[in-house]
Amino acid sequence: GAGVSQSPRYKVAKRGQDVALRCDPISGHVSLFWYQQALGQGPEFLTYFQNEAQLDKSGLPSDRFFAERPEGSVSTLKIQRTQQEDSAVYLCASSPAVGISYEQYFGPGTRLTVT
Amino acid sequence: AQKITQTQPGMFVQEKEAVTLDCTYDTSDPSYGLFWYKQPSSGEMIFLIYQGSYDQQNATEGRYSLNFQKARKSANLVISASQLGDSAMYFCAMRATDSWGKFQFGAGTQVVVTP
Repeated sequence: GAGVSQSPRYKVAKRGQDVALRCDPISGHVSLFWYQQALGQGPEFLTYFQNEAQLDKSGLPSDRFFAERPEGSVSTLKIQRTQQEDSAVYLCASSPAVGISYEQYFGPGTRLTVT
Repeated sequence: AQKITQTQPGMFVQEKEAVTLDCTYDTSDPSYGLFWYKQPSSGEMIFLIYQGSYDQQNATEGRYSLNFQKARKSANLVISASQLGDSAMYFCAMRATDSWGKFQFGAGTQVVVTP
């Protein structure tokens, strides 16, 4: 079956522009996570959805970052007024159920470069 | 708060040799899961192996085994009979019940397998 997909794969934005990153999780997966991965670092948690409810947004770096999952499937991460420090790979992951034993299935990521 | 520590930034290993990647963790939650992921240069995160905090036996998956020492809070990954395709970044990650199951990742270890 299809895995997690993300679009676009690459995005170049001028500083100050708004961007929207899309994640299509595996069908039926309840949990959806967004992570930010800087070059040479481990992914850092941004936010978590259980179905359409955003249950944890403690990792969002500022109020310029906003995420939604209105129908409990596709999710969008929006970054307003992008800054150079936002340059990173944004990874989306989904998991079939709530529970610590379930692996997270990762998408290929969106590489954002802010110039 | 949870923390994952990977102290080896990079390692070289010869083909067909075994390699051990270190991971220590810290959590006050008695119920947690430990995962290892592989990230090749192409960027996708590939699940390798899982160990639950209450599992009595060390996890094994093919050439991958996890040396779980609960009292020492360590979860080292052992890759046996290394192959050239094993060259990648390896991340240790933890999920705990007190944090919606989000992953806390280590900084990663870059493994290079040489002929």
